[in-house]
Amino acid sequence: SQTIHQWPATLVQPVGSPLSLECTVEGTSNPNLYWYRQAAGRGLQLLFYSVGIGQISSEVPQNLSASRPQDRQFILSSKKLLLSDSGFYLCAWTGLLSSPLHFGNGTRLTVT
Amino acid sequence: AQTVTQSQPEMSVQEAETVTLSCTYDTSESDYYLFWYKQPPSRQMILVIRQEAYKQQNATENRFSVNFQKAAKSFSLKISDSQLGDAAMYFCAYRSGSGGGADGLTFGKGTHLIIQP
Repeated sequence: SQTIHQWPATLVQPVGSPLSLECTVEGTSNPNLYWYRQAAGRGLQLLFYSVGIGQISSEVPQNLSASRPQDRQFILSSKKLLLSDSGFYLCAWTGLLSSPLHFGNGTRLTVT
Repeated sequence: AQTVTQSQPEMSVQEAETVTLSCTYDTSESDYYLFWYKQPPSRQMILVIRQEAYKQQNATENRFSVNFQKAAKSFSLKISDSQLGDAAMYFCAYRSGSGGGADGLTFGKGTHLIIQP
């Protein structure tokens, strides 16, 4: 069966520090991968998605970036965090168009 | 672009009662998929139920069922015999059957469901 792992679960970082959140999927190949952000009590904002290795599409311009160095690995990064980057980050994957999104457990990021 | 509207920011229901969460969507496509997700306080996104647009029969998963009205572009979620564990944010989601940008995935803004004991 397929599983998705996302880490860390919680992160507190000072303003201006770098960020690296990682997500890996097991049990499938060539998944579509997504990074979402969710502010408290709000909906999901799509940040990046990827349909293959090295293929990244950005939905929202900001100081975040994403990379897909391997088929089932998706990384969210920042060189310098802003206070506004605080939030809950969710990684997700999907396969066929008829399939739903499967989400990781999320990372709660607090920028201080 | 497709849009998904959840007009109820918050709903409250007594334990053991039935509640219906509404969702409407706007699309010009005929082939698509609809989903309801639950997000409890742990914030994990859990798939509740899915519906293929080409299927006329409404999907059912235990106490959860949908009322899919394709012509009206409506996809409501009914929760029967509400339980305290059903308290969560519920998100309606649309996925295009033809792919496209971000695979045509669109989420509503969510409905916060409160269960009164």
